[in-house]
Amino acid sequence: DTGVSQDPRHKITKRGQNVTFRCDPISEHNRLYWYRQTLGQGPEFLTYFQNEAQLEKSRLLSDRFSAERPKGSFSTLEIQRTEQGDSAMYLCASSPGRTYNEQFFGPGTRLTVL
Amino acid sequence: AQSVTQPDIHITVSEGASLELRCNYSYGATPYLFWYVQSPGQGLQLLLKYFSGDTLVQGIKGFEAEFKRSQSSFNLRKPSVHWSDAAEYFCAVNNNDMRFGAGTRLTVKP
Repeated sequence: DTGVSQDPRHKITKRGQNVTFRCDPISEHNRLYWYRQTLGQGPEFLTYFQNEAQLEKSRLLSDRFSAERPKGSFSTLEIQRTEQGDSAMYLCASSPGRTYNEQFFGPGTRLTVL
Repeated sequence: AQSVTQPDIHITVSEGASLELRCNYSYGATPYLFWYVQSPGQGLQLLLKYFSGDTLVQGIKGFEAEFKRSQSSFNLRKPSVHWSDAAEYFCAVNNNDMRFGAGTRLTVKP
């Protein structure tokens, strides 16, 4: 399968715990995006990378959220001190280098914070 | 700031009937527009996109969309809906970051 993959698909955690999600983009894509999707809403942009450079992070929801893409391949999204309001689907997408190309989405990681 | 509005939260159509899902955008320049579909438990799949040129664009699964600059709209259409089209549909505009509408949930009656 050469699509975008995300791991884990589901994560249940207790409030206050840290969680980390992984995204593996399509191999030749140098742009990688993270979104959050809550029930009944469209995806909400969080951050994106071009290769290993994080070019936009002002839309991360709080300083508890951080993302990395250390070698320009896979990326991780970490949420520290989770809150119940963080419960959502976290989507990853990738695209080739041009800004306005379509993005290819992974299946998402569903986070439930108890 | 750019934004996308999908006025219809939920639409129900009969199988075989025609479909039109509405999308309006707010953006100063010519936008890059997309329609995605999301089935339960699945990621978003691109149906079609508009960058420039012919304002009527064809997509996968028999869908098409028409860009109307004067109305700031990019409505999605299909002449005959199949039961497998039941899903959530999202319109999006891309200018450095992708902005999505809230989605329209499509139910197909037998």
